[in-house]
Amino acid sequence: GENVEQHPSTLSVQEGDSAVIKCTYSDSASNYFPWYKQELGKGPQLIIDIRSNVGEKKDQRIAVTLNKTAKHFSLHITETQPEDSAVYFCAASSRTNAGKSTFGDGTTLTVKP
Amino acid sequence: EAGVTQSPTHLIKTRGQQATLRCSPISGHTSVYWYQQALGLGLQFLLWYDEGEERNRGNFPPRFSGRQFPNYSSELNVNALELEDSALYLCASSFSGPPGSTEAFFGQGTRLTVV
Repeated sequence: GENVEQHPSTLSVQEGDSAVIKCTYSDSASNYFPWYKQELGKGPQLIIDIRSNVGEKKDQRIAVTLNKTAKHFSLHITETQPEDSAVYFCAASSRTNAGKSTFGDGTTLTVKP
Repeated sequence: EAGVTQSPTHLIKTRGQQATLRCSPISGHTSVYWYQQALGLGLQFLLWYDEGEERNRGNFPPRFSGRQFPNYSSELNVNALELEDSALYLCASSFSGPPGSTEAFFGQGTRLTVV
């Protein structure tokens, strides 16, 4: 089945710096890659997603890149703010296992003021 | 517009009992997904319902079951509760079809504690 690895598990940056979180996946049939932000005591919130026919997508300070050949995708957050502090999860969905998203183990991002 | 709503927010049960968790999807969404998130861990896929039918399930024992009602709300049942079932149970919904065609949005979760 699909396996998603996420790195790093923890990331601490200074306010204003950039943060990068990387994920790799194993199933070449995966075609949808969402990123979620989870704050303490809340459910995951979809922040950006990318499909396999696109290499990069940006939404203000957040961007995601996808390298299908290498089977990895990354989340980039620029000009980080303290409110960006949360746990971030990547996920991958495969056409061969419909309805199931496989999640990475999460990255705890801390933005220091 | 209301998001995905789950009830109850917290549930405490004794080992061996049964737990029932409920989820109301976003209006217009017909797919409902259930995930288990053990403390400090990632999300593990449990079940996917679409148009009232179970479409896929994860690697969980049969005592984890559920159903989807005609109004697309869903129920997750966990029988013969074990201590390791203690976790945050998350429900997500999307328009019809699996992820890959449309975004899924999560509720706040139900915190199940088995004592």
